Amino acid sequence: QVHLVQSGAEVKKPGSSVKVSCKASGGTFSTYAISWVRQAPGQGLEWMGGIILIFGTGNYAQKFQGRVTITADESTNTAYMELSSLRSEDTAMYYCASSYYDSSGYYYWFDSWGQGTLVTVSS
Amino acid sequence: EIVLTQSPGTLSLSPGERATLSCRASQTVSSTYLAWYQQKPGQAPRLLMSDASTRAAGIPDRFSGSGSGTDFTLTISRLEPEDFAVYYCKQYGSSLLTFGGGTKVEIK
Repeated sequence: QVHLVQSGAEVKKPGSSVKVSCKASGGTFSTYAISWVRQAPGQGLEWMGGIILIFGTGNYAQKFQGRVTITADESTNTAYMELSSLRSEDTAMYYCASSYYDSSGYYYWFDSWGQGTLVTVSS
Repeated sequence: EIVLTQSPGTLSLSPGERATLSCRASQTVSSTYLAWYQQKPGQAPRLLMSDASTRAAGIPDRFSGSGSGTDFTLTISRLEPEDFAVYYCKQYGSSLLTFGGGTKVEIK
C-alpha cells in the first residue's frame, strides 16, 4: 500500500492559482491512479479528477474542467493538482488518494489518502 | 454523472445499537462498483468497503455492506464508541467518480 504525503497549507488571493503536491512512497507509482478530492469546511467529499500515470492525461469532474490541471512526475513519484482562478468558495481541504484502475481507465476504490492540504483563499 | 443520495443525514444511536445507512444512486452502478469510507473529525477518510460488500484490510466484521443496482446499504451490527463518525459512499462504475453527501452517526 502506497503512503502519500502532501505539501503544506497555502493562503492565496482571489484570482490566483495554487499547486499542491502529493509524494508517494512504498509502492510502484506507475501502477496507481492518483485522484484529488476536496472538502469545504463542514461539507462532504468532492472528487475533482485524477491521473493514471501510464495514460499520462488527467480525467476531470465537469465542475472543475478548465480550472484544474492534474499532472504527475514519475521520476519523483509525485502528483500535482493546480487550481486556477481561485475564489473564496475554493477554500477547502484538498486530499490526494491512490487507487488501482482498469484497462478502460476507470479508477477503483481509494485505499490510501494523503494527510490533506488546507488551501485558504482570502483577500 | 451518477448522483448518490445518502440517508439519513444524521443517525442518533447509542453504543451497542445497530446502524443502517443507505446510499441510493440516480442510475445503475455497474458491477457493484461502490465503496464506503469513514471519516472522523480532523482526519482523512478511511476505506471501509469496496465492491459494495468487501471489507478493507483491518476493518472489523461488525461492518457489512450489501446492495446492487441503485440501492446500497452499510450496516454496523453493534456500534462501538470509535464508530461514531461520518460515512460516505462513492461510486466508481463510471469514469467520473461521485460521492454521496454523507451520513453522520452520532451518539444519542
